[in-house]
Amino acid sequence: DAGVIQSPRHEVTEMGQEVTLRCKPISGHDYLFWYRQTMMRGLELLIYFNNNVPIDDSGMPEDRFSAKMPNASFSTLKIQPSEPRDSAVYFCASSITGTGRPEAFFGQGTRLTVV
Amino acid sequence: AQSVAQPEDQVNVAEGNPLTVKCTYSVSGNPYLFWYVQYPNRGLQFLLKYITGDNLVKGSYGFEAEFNKSQTSFHLKKPSALVSDSALYFCAVREGSNTGKLIFGQGTTLQVKP
Repeated sequence: DAGVIQSPRHEVTEMGQEVTLRCKPISGHDYLFWYRQTMMRGLELLIYFNNNVPIDDSGMPEDRFSAKMPNASFSTLKIQPSEPRDSAVYFCASSITGTGRPEAFFGQGTRLTVV
Repeated sequence: AQSVAQPEDQVNVAEGNPLTVKCTYSVSGNPYLFWYVQYPNRGLQFLLKYITGDNLVKGSYGFEAEFNKSQTSFHLKKPSALVSDSALYFCAVREGSNTGKLIFGQGTTLQVKP
């Protein structure tokens, strides 16, 4: 299995532009998580999905952030418009229930820089 | 609400000595507990987990962790540290239910010196 795949690995954009981060979870996994990592705030859970349905988006910082999961193999996190304080590493992770393996597996992350 | 605390920002240990990275948690119901490691510019890698059963669980790279229900702790341990163990370590908790929310602590930097 290729693991969780995120794209792009690096993104540099100007303030005010729209940014879309992409994630392909491990095949068969029914949970998908989006996290943001910064030095100041650590690893924050932004939103998570179960069977493509958003379960908890209370960690989404502002209305500028939105996430979708149109099918079991693809999710996006969009920031519109982007701001310099959105600069961070964004991680996607997936897990599966009912197998005795509740641990989540992480992608390599997308390093976002907003200038 | 569930939460995880890692009281130490950094732990320093000499190579060959035992190491402990501390973690306490708060969750309603039975917890699923995890440790992850992160190397620079990489994603988080799963090390080990506790779901039920023996309080001492063993994981990858010689790491183990001890679950203590009365103290709500899940400390990570290794009998003999290696320089290559130097990394950022995260403790995480997930409620043992169908909510599935996975929450991480702030992380502890482990520095193993030769």
